[in-house]
Amino acid sequence: QVQLQESGPGLVEPSQTLSLTCTVSGGSISRRGYYWSWIRQRPGKGLEWIGYIDYSGITYYNPSLKTRVTISADTSKSQFSLSLTSVTAADTAVYYCGEYCSSTTCYDGAFDIWGQGTMVTVSS
Amino acid sequence: QSALTQPASVSGSPGQSITISCTGASSDVGASAFVSWYQQHPGIAPKLMIYEVSNRPSGVPDRFSGSKSGNTASLTISGLQAEDEADYYCSSYTSNSRSHVFGTGTRVTVL
Repeated sequence: QVQLQESGPGLVEPSQTLSLTCTVSGGSISRRGYYWSWIRQRPGKGLEWIGYIDYSGITYYNPSLKTRVTISADTSKSQFSLSLTSVTAADTAVYYCGEYCSSTTCYDGAFDIWGQGTMVTVSS
Repeated sequence: QSALTQPASVSGSPGQSITISCTGASSDVGASAFVSWYQQHPGIAPKLMIYEVSNRPSGVPDRFSGSKSGNTASLTISGLQAEDEADYYCSSYTSNSRSHVFGTGTRVTVL
């Protein structure tokens, strides 16, 4: 059973870069048909898709965030990472990593496995 | 990229049926076979409840069902139970921007 776990600083200063890592256990992140995702949830608000990286390393980003976001992967460590630059208080949120399935061998077209989430506060 | 529109809240008594709507556009919900629904209890990560508009993952009770008509998707909970009280989010793939969008979220209250 695949499990995901986010890690990273809980506090980031304004204008700095937010960096988070998601460690995947129980499965390879190089599997065809899987996309490794970042999703966030501002306090008391809804979910917002940030972007994902596919099994071959191609990235896709939310158009509203793409100038500030980079998602990368380290297959040797079974990890993928999020970098969000020039953060403001509006980036304060719970950040989730997740597995997105794009294959008929799993729950096609859905975020089927989520990490527990990590709270990141942007404040000086 | 605008969030899909959901009612802020829906309520029902135990045993009743409720339906949550998710309205998008012809570029997302209307065009996508990949509409999904998620349940979120307070302080816990979302859980997949419906994928590909109307399919249930293993372990999800059959009282949860999904459908779509035009630009609006719907989640129906039949035989409402106390443990169904949670927030629910829809999501759709948007092919023209190769991105995903979530709904605004609906708080389900069991009276």
